[in-house]
Amino acid sequence: NAGVTQTPKFRVLKTGQSMTLLCAQDMNHEYMYWYRQDPGMGLRLIHYSVGEGTTAKGEVPDGYNVSRLKKQNFLLGLESAAPSQTSVYFCASSYGYAQYFGPGTRLTVT
Amino acid sequence: AQSVTQPDIHITVSEGASLELRCNYSYGATPYLFWYVQSPGQGLQLLLKYFSGDTLVQGIKGFEAEFKRSQSSFNLRKPSVHWSDAAEYFCAVGAGGAQKLVFGQGTRLTINP
Repeated sequence: NAGVTQTPKFRVLKTGQSMTLLCAQDMNHEYMYWYRQDPGMGLRLIHYSVGEGTTAKGEVPDGYNVSRLKKQNFLLGLESAAPSQTSVYFCASSYGYAQYFGPGTRLTVT
Repeated sequence: AQSVTQPDIHITVSEGASLELRCNYSYGATPYLFWYVQSPGQGLQLLLKYFSGDTLVQGIKGFEAEFKRSQSSFNLRKPSVHWSDAAEYFCAVGAGGAQKLVFGQGTRLTINP
């Protein structure tokens, strides 16, 4: 039982490049979330999903897109990366209001 | 809107000393409250949660937290800290539908030997 996994662990992008972060969970959870973590700002919700085929905007959705084609996977896309998107990205899934987090992806945009 | 305040950005305690991390929340109804811990370079791990009932909640790793409605607080405690407790601690409150959470800004805990 791997829990929540994230791919890749590290990535460096140039401004304007695109990429997709993959989150996978094997706990059969309906709810999934993408957060970004920046120093002194805690975790901020980017997008979330309440089930396969659904997505919704969180607190800071601009510049990101998401898809949930399969229940176990939640993808976060950056279409045109900007230096302001340099951050650590965490995926989580939820059951009974308790969220379970992946190990994170450290993204640097130069 | 729901919000969480962790007044202490950084706390240093000696190994073996007691610990209390403060958390204040803003929420109209009975809140769902959580404490998470994040070790360096890791994701967040759930320490404990409060939904209802007994206001003193026991968690993993010897931590406990007490819900005080009159003070809108949910402080985390541990009687005797270990060097391995050095980490960042986040308080969170349930924020409406879709089981969303609102997190505080975190408290970084340093342990002196």
